[in-house]
Amino acid sequence: LAKTTQPISMDSYEGQEVNITCSHNNIATNDYITWYQQFPSQGPRFIIQGYKTKVTNEVASLFIPADRKSSTLSLPRVSLSDTAVYYCLVGDLYNQGGKLIFGQGTELSVKP
Amino acid sequence: DTEVTQTPKHLVMGMTNKKSLKCEQHMGHRAMYWYKQKAKKPPELMFVYSYEKLSINESVPSRFSPECPNSSLLNLHLHALQPEDSALYLCASSQDRMAGYSYNEQFFGPGTRLTVL
Repeated sequence: LAKTTQPISMDSYEGQEVNITCSHNNIATNDYITWYQQFPSQGPRFIIQGYKTKVTNEVASLFIPADRKSSTLSLPRVSLSDTAVYYCLVGDLYNQGGKLIFGQGTELSVKP
Repeated sequence: DTEVTQTPKHLVMGMTNKKSLKCEQHMGHRAMYWYKQKAKKPPELMFVYSYEKLSINESVPSRFSPECPNSSLLNLHLHALQPEDSALYLCASSQDRMAGYSYNEQFFGPGTRLTVL
């Protein structure tokens, strides 16, 4: 299972764009890159997933370079409600028999 | 219905008690999971059920006993727990692995906050 490395914490201000980078040097060919968000005392929530290049949805964008050894989650114009822990996961839920490993996560704090 | 429900929300138990955590989903998902999360730490996988059969046990102590009575329900039976077992217990479910594509989206419940005295 690929190990991920993310910054432990980040600070931002409302209205700014936030980019959180995740390093995953030993990503396997079948692995997908997935990001989850977790608020205190709640379960994690799926944000976005990608395999290569760029993926965008209504919440975030995910940038993946050609070598796939890292990825960047981009949150446009953050608000106070985006304060949460963001987890980068690398794997393939089905080829790993249902096993996804959460890394340490990045605690994002958005200030007014 | 895209919700995973967990009961109870909070549970306080003594080390000699027997209690159960309950998880339910009605999304037709055939994979269900138990995770344990300590404060300021990431969720740790405990068990995976696939098509109501236990497929992964991450070397969890036998004082935790999972059960999947049907495709919508997942239980975690607790007996003779230790204070260090106090944590948030999260249940999750995901789509059928036979759906034809790899998709890492798991739907999590709000968790049960367990305190062992």
